[in-house]
Amino acid sequence: QKEVEQDPGPLSVPEGAIVSLNCTYSNSAFQYFMWYRQYSRKGPELLMYTYSSGNKEDGRFTAQVDKSSKYISLFIRDSQPSDSATYLCAMGSGGSNYKLTFGKGTLLTVNP
Amino acid sequence: SAVISQKPSRDICQRGTSLTIQCQVDSQVTMMFWYRQQPGQSLTLIATANQGSEATYESGFVIDKFPISRPNLTFSTLTVSNMSPEDSSIYLCSVVGGTKNIQYFGAGTRLSVL
Repeated sequence: QKEVEQDPGPLSVPEGAIVSLNCTYSNSAFQYFMWYRQYSRKGPELLMYTYSSGNKEDGRFTAQVDKSSKYISLFIRDSQPSDSATYLCAMGSGGSNYKLTFGKGTLLTVNP
Repeated sequence: SAVISQKPSRDICQRGTSLTIQCQVDSQVTMMFWYRQQPGQSLTLIATANQGSEATYESGFVIDKFPISRPNLTFSTLTVSNMSPEDSSIYLCSVVGGTKNIQYFGAGTRLSVL
């Protein structure tokens, strides 16, 4: 079993839809969780960062972490064509260990 | 967040040759990393570039194939040596910024080996 599993999609939704992206993990040592967005031919850019179970909201984006189930989600409300990108989940154990473990990424297309 | 510049942005190389990728950061950073992103695969850490000492390589990556330099706190290079088509990939550098272990990435170098 891989440490981080992420459905690669692709996922295609109409503009305005609610999008749900998910990752599961097996390593209980992971303490903080990130979502990166990567546009075509660009590097990943940090979208959301959280280190506790529960929800964190930032505009149209909500990150959800359930440590007991080892499951994280990213919700995008009122999706826009500009949200079309690959979304990568990433996890780290924190402290002096800066290493991140990434999911494979989910390719999202929002159709106008 | 740090501004990271990578050069070249892309290249097409012949089998058996080597390519050196540069990563320049606009501020001094302690932690700098090199990643590989292959199609359909997770972003994979190659090594941690240590300033003033040898890089720390992850399992499956060796110094002879991926020599790394880190002469100061704002610059690093990754060389992909004796390339084969299997080395065709995107190579990214990243740095840790702020106080939350957040990593910031460069735009990447898209390498194709013929």
